[in-house]
Amino acid sequence: KAGVTQTPRYLIKTRGQQVTLSCSPISGHRSVSWYQQTPGQGLQFLFEYFSETQRNKGNFPGRFSGRQFSNSRSEMNVSTLELGDSALYLCASSLGRVNEAFFGQGTRLTVV
Amino acid sequence: ELKVEQNPLFLSMQEGKNYTIYCNYSTTSDRLYWYRQDPGKSLESLFVLLSNGAVKQEGRLMASLDTKARLSTLHITAAVHDLSATYFCAVDSNTGNQFYFGTGTSLTVIP
Repeated sequence: KAGVTQTPRYLIKTRGQQVTLSCSPISGHRSVSWYQQTPGQGLQFLFEYFSETQRNKGNFPGRFSGRQFSNSRSEMNVSTLELGDSALYLCASSLGRVNEAFFGQGTRLTVV
Repeated sequence: ELKVEQNPLFLSMQEGKNYTIYCNYSTTSDRLYWYRQDPGKSLESLFVLLSNGAVKQEGRLMASLDTKARLSTLHITAAVHDLSATYFCAVDSNTGNQFYFGTGTSLTVIP
């Protein structure tokens, strides 16, 4: 059974640019969550989608947005990149609440 | 906002020894998860604890949950080098799949 797939694995962007990250959940999973991991702030929740609807949003500026498609694949977008956006972005999928969440390998974003 | 505290942050232990990692959280939740992360890698699910008094064991690791004390423990028995990694606990909010993660415990097992 295929796991959670995130693309691309690595990205280098310049300040002010925008970026789109993709996450394909495990087949049958309808919940997709996104997290940012940095050495200073640790793992922080960005948002969660379930059946194409955003159910929860973390405390991040509006430059961070996401969406989920009918096949449960999800994308997150960061506009007007800042140096502080450099991080490992992790996507997790699960069947729903109270279910185990499985994480993808992450996308390492470097903003220069 | 739900706060999750883990201690210790760093743990260096000799092979064969036992130790416990603690995870305290600030508000009521009966869903707690333990993950392992190797350097440069993603998070690997270790345990899912869904009720008060839940205890789960896998190999040399055992996790427990006390929802009344808002405390979970991850006990390591007779540590081996392969257990060297960073361990995170995460508490689920009551509004959906929104995890609040602890700071992580970086474990190094010394031969």
